This record gives sequence, C-alpha cells and structure tokens, in this order.
Amino acid sequence: DTGVSQDPRHKITKRGQNVTFRCDPISEHNRLYWYRQTLGQGPEFLTYFQNEAQLEKSRLLSDRFSAERPKGSFSTLEIQRTEQGDSAMYLCASRSQGRPEAFFGQGTRLTVV
Amino acid sequence: ELKVEQNPLFLSMQEGKNYTIYCNYSTTSDRLYWYRQDPGKSLESLFVLLSNGAVKQEGRLMASLDTKARLSTLHITAAVHDLSATYFCALGERFGAGTRLTVKP
Repeated sequence: DTGVSQDPRHKITKRGQNVTFRCDPISEHNRLYWYRQTLGQGPEFLTYFQNEAQLEKSRLLSDRFSAERPKGSFSTLEIQRTEQGDSAMYLCASRSQGRPEAFFGQGTRLTVV
Repeated sequence: ELKVEQNPLFLSMQEGKNYTIYCNYSTTSDRLYWYRQDPGKSLESLFVLLSNGAVKQEGRLMASLDTKARLSTLHITAAVHDLSATYFCALGERFGAGTRLTVKP
C-alpha cells in the first residue's frame, strides 16, 4: 500500500498522559501536514513540513504540542499532558511540492478520559 | 484572516434532484479543493481547482471556481443515495465547516 499511513488508529489515554502519533507519507511526497478534526467540524490545520523543515504552525498548536519530521520522511505528533479537549481525530496528509493533490491518511482517533 | 464559508451546512435532498453547494472564501489562493468524508472515515480528494473559470466533473459531481467572486460551487446532478456524505471545500490548508448531504430515496 503506497498511501498515507497513520499509527495508531485509535488511542485512549488518561488525562495528563503524553501521547505520540506517527504518520508515514507517500514516499515521494516532500510536504506533510497535520490536522485536527473534532466531531461535526472541518479539519483544522495544525502544522506542515517541507522535507524536515517545519514551515508553519497554527495558533492552535499550543506548547503542549510538538511535531517533528527528522529525516524528511515520517513525522510524529506529540501531545504532552493531554486534556479532555484534545480528544479528536488527528489527520495527516501529504503531497508533492509540484503537484496540488493532497492525500490523507486514515487518522488517529484520540480519546482522553 | 482567511475564512472559508460553506453553505448550506446541512442538505437533505431526494434522489434524482439537483443541488449546489457553495464555498465562499475571503482571500486568494492557488488551490481550491473539494473533499468527501464518510462517517468515521478520512477525507477523499474529489477535485482540485487551480485557476479562474476552472471546471471539473466526475460522475454526478461538478466543481467550478470563480476567483473574482471568491466562490467555488459543487453541483450535484440527479443525486443518488451513495452520494450521502459530508463535503468540504478547502482553500489551501484551510477548510470550511462542511456540508452534510443526505440523499433520500
């Protein structure tokens, strides 16, 4: 399968714990995006990478959130000291710089209890 | 601040009918996307519109872009039940709130 892969698909965690999600983009895609989607809402942009460089971060990305893409391939999104308000679907997307089409992964559904 | 507004937010229509979903945006961009999302699933790319006057069609769906009016439309022709889903427009990385479409027999 050469699509965007996210892991885990589901995560239940207790409030205050740290969680980390992984995204493997389509191999030739140099741009990688993270979004958060809550029930009944559209995806909200969090951050994006071009290769290993994090080029833009949304104001939604508080200091509890950090994202990395150390080698310009897979990316991780970490949430520290999780809060109930962090419960959402976290989506990753990737695309090539020269092509507009973006491809989304299946998402990681986070539930903070 | 960039705003992307869709309307209607909810749409219930009968099979065989036509309807249009509207997407207004507040600033220019080089990419206007339409996505489909089924409940509990991720987003499926439908169309990417890159220039003024662009029109793309796939099956019963047709999308158009008017950059001067800052408006994109998604037109549904002769709706069928399988089209029931939530449809999002996005300007670059900014998404609208979505239109939840239900097609009834």
